[in-house]
Amino acid sequence: DAKTTQPTSMDCAEGRAANLPCNHSTISGNEYVYWYRQIHSQGPQYIIHGLKNNETNEMASLIITEDRKSSTLILPHATLRDTAVYYCIVRERNTGFQKLVFGTGTRLLVSP
Amino acid sequence: GAVVSQHPSWVICKSGTSVKIECRSLDFQATTMFWYRQFPKQSLMLMATSNEGSKATYEQGVEKDKFLINHASLTLSTLTVTSAHPEDSSFYICSALVTFGSSQPQHFGDGTRLSIL
Repeated sequence: DAKTTQPTSMDCAEGRAANLPCNHSTISGNEYVYWYRQIHSQGPQYIIHGLKNNETNEMASLIITEDRKSSTLILPHATLRDTAVYYCIVRERNTGFQKLVFGTGTRLLVSP
Repeated sequence: GAVVSQHPSWVICKSGTSVKIECRSLDFQATTMFWYRQFPKQSLMLMATSNEGSKATYEQGVEKDKFLINHASLTLSTLTVTSAHPEDSSFYICSALVTFGSSQPQHFGDGTRLSIL
């Protein structure tokens, strides 16, 4: 079972920031938080990941709370092409369990 | 970097035939590859983990004789759906892991849409 909970859907206006929350209250110390997105009929695309510090790359920012029980993915200026299902996943690092368990994700709709 | 290619993108075949799907890591070596299946309006479900040079590890409920996985090289894994039937119609997606035991992410192919008539 997925170890995360996310809202089923969210709307965002084009050009505005999209803030996607994720709850992972049972996360353990050696588990990373990964974010992927899936545009219709394509494979998932890696966005960003982090352990406890906030992270930023060319696609997005990841804000992880101090207790690591939740995180927020921020798309600073959403475009229509950001419409997708966004998955927040926790995964262990240094064990044989490298697999990703996908939950239901958040369906983000970016509108003009 | 980290490009994963899947082939074919879509395939339609008759019930009872076998279908092979290829997953290649184009610009890196992948010690581990994963195979997922996704039904319409559902999330991805992991089918099996494929390690180069060894037998695949299947998730509970996935028939290993039905879904044959071969990972003969560090850049290629194949999934063969044997004696496919309409209920095997689905979106099959592979992913590849650059380095086992690190925090590096999996990178996914664009999937193969399989339709069995």
